[in-house]
Amino acid sequence: AQSVTQLDSQVPVFEEAPVELRCNYSSSVSVYLFWYVQYPNQGLQLLLKYLSGSTLVKGINGFEAEFNKSQTSFHLRKPSVHISDTAEYFCAVSEHRGGSNYKLTFGKGTLLTVNP
Amino acid sequence: EAQVTQNPRYLITVTGKKLTVTCSQNMNHEYMSWYRQDPGLGLRQIYYSMNVEVTDKGDVPEGYKVSRKEKRNFPLILESPSPNQTSLYFCASRWDRVTLEQFFGPGTRLTVL
Repeated sequence: AQSVTQLDSQVPVFEEAPVELRCNYSSSVSVYLFWYVQYPNQGLQLLLKYLSGSTLVKGINGFEAEFNKSQTSFHLRKPSVHISDTAEYFCAVSEHRGGSNYKLTFGKGTLLTVNP
Repeated sequence: EAQVTQNPRYLITVTGKKLTVTCSQNMNHEYMSWYRQDPGLGLRQIYYSMNVEVTDKGDVPEGYKVSRKEKRNFPLILESPSPNQTSLYFCASRWDRVTLEQFFGPGTRLTVL
């Protein structure tokens, strides 16, 4: 069964600093990978996704992630964060199977706090 | 505007009093699902529906029911709520079982006393 591990539950950084949010997954088959962002008191919105092709994926708000199959990782990065990036970030995985659900399995989330 | 709506956004109730959380989407999506979000546990799928009259259990279905009589609506029913169902609930939809980008509602914060 697929699973996702987000290695840090909280990441505090200063404004304009770079940030990396780590995500590792486990699956016996090929996967699709996603990062979602949840701003305070809001629902989740898609930040970026990896389905196939280039392993470096660019998303909204200057975020990017790199799929590393050998390390089963999909870390999220931003070179310079803003106060407005303060949010909770969720990594999610879905397996390439012929099943009927294509269920998304979410990690437990990483709270990114950007301080002035 | 394309969106997923949920009502109510906040609800405080007592143990055993039946309640329904509504979910509606205006994107003609086939696939809809319900998640609960708990601190330190992330999002866990409760139920999903691949189309009208087609529903199935997710990872944590105990204590919940759903129905899908119309394509746009997917209500979550708690027949006899208990305190361990205090949580933040999200409804989500996507085009079909293959398309993977999900659109999430704003969430319903439920407290069961």
